[in-house]
Amino acid sequence: DTAVSQTPKYLVTQMGNDKSIKCEQNLGHDTMYWYKQDSKKFLKIMFSYNNKELIINETVPNRFSPKSPDKAHLNLHINSLELGDSAVYFCASSQGGGMNSPLHFGNGTRLTVT
Amino acid sequence: AQSVSQHNHHVILSEAASLELGCNYSYGGTVNLFWYVQYPGQHLQLLLKYFSGDPLVKGIKGFEAEFIKSKFSFNLRKPSVQWSDTAEYFCAVGGATNKLIFGTGTLLAVQP
Repeated sequence: DTAVSQTPKYLVTQMGNDKSIKCEQNLGHDTMYWYKQDSKKFLKIMFSYNNKELIINETVPNRFSPKSPDKAHLNLHINSLELGDSAVYFCASSQGGGMNSPLHFGNGTRLTVT
Repeated sequence: AQSVSQHNHHVILSEAASLELGCNYSYGGTVNLFWYVQYPGQHLQLLLKYFSGDPLVKGIKGFEAEFIKSKFSFNLRKPSVQWSDTAEYFCAVGGATNKLIFGTGTLLAVQP
């Protein structure tokens, strides 16, 4: 019973394609996040949702569109994939968005765009 | 704006050596501080956290960190490392915004 689960674990696709990554958490947390980890291991927040509402939207291309159907799910859809989108995408959750509780991370989705 | 610096990008130690990884942040207000660890091929896991109180924080697996407010630092320490501590270590800071800002990570390689 994984706390934060992401699918798929690996995603290999060609430039120009559209793909989605799904995330679910069973911790009862009210806040969920998408982080991108590049090839140098640098972690950068992309989006954050609190109770299905978008609260953080970093300077991410609008080809990336998050969607939170309920507070336990946060999906990420990427249109017109580019080579530079290759990275590991981590979903995370926490209780409260004020950084007063630690993040629980999923296992990551390694996206490779060829 | 908040930022986090981890000056050691790559550290190589022998087993039983002592470890100290540096973390400095820039933000003048109240902060919450974290250290996360990422073992090879795995997700990030929380090692320890500081919100308030005793500035010396103990975490899992024998790790500890000390918050020194005057130096804007939150260095991670372990008296005696093991081969299984080989991993990437990330310092993170939460401040005024709802964002947790991560440092660039320190790759620790422990040689048996």
